[in-house]
Amino acid sequence: DGGITQSPKYLFRKEGQNVTLSCEQNLNHDAMYWYRQDPGQGLRLIYYSQIVNDFQKGDIAEGYSVSREKKESFPLTVTSAQKNPTAFYLCASSPQGVRGYTFGSGTRLTVV
Amino acid sequence: KQEVTQIPAALSVPEGENLVLNCSFTDSAIYNLQWFRQDPGKGLTSLLLIQSSQREQTSGRLNASLDKSSGRSTLYIAASQPGDSATYLCAVTTSGGYNKLIFGAGTRLAVHP
Repeated sequence: DGGITQSPKYLFRKEGQNVTLSCEQNLNHDAMYWYRQDPGQGLRLIYYSQIVNDFQKGDIAEGYSVSREKKESFPLTVTSAQKNPTAFYLCASSPQGVRGYTFGSGTRLTVV
Repeated sequence: KQEVTQIPAALSVPEGENLVLNCSFTDSAIYNLQWFRQDPGKGLTSLLLIQSSQREQTSGRLNASLDKSSGRSTLYIAASQPGDSATYLCAVTTSGGYNKLIFGAGTRLAVHP
């Protein structure tokens, strides 16, 4: 079955540590996205990528970095510069053009 | 700046009731509107996608309508069941250079037997 795989499901980060969240899709979608979800709030866009080797900042990119070396993969690094990283992170993809999204199952990141 | 609002924030109903969830957006220049379901600690499942040229979409017991001019969408759930308990999120795709979704905060639905 085609879909999006996010790993790990749970991740714990120590203060000052960088961590990387994985997102892989086999839907042959061109565009990929990272969203952050905090309790009681809607999803907020961190980064997005429309094609390989190109990505753009979303609304809350500070403290995060991404890469898009392969069409299937869009990893997100949460750096030590992100002061409040505890949240639920969702990866999504969509075909080119204005069409519906497909979401992964999410990674819950907690700072310990 | 596009803003999406969902009312009510939470809803608790007995099984069998017909429900209406509301979504409003401030800028009518949208490409489409999508309703998602999210179970606790899980990702989002797409329920219905309404293109800007459409007025409604139906899937089983779900019906979503779109009124672009007034900036509103409703999700109608017929004959609710306990398995419908989840958070329902509304999102619009803005006009512009890419397929950006802007989300509401969601309606948390509990259907009790």
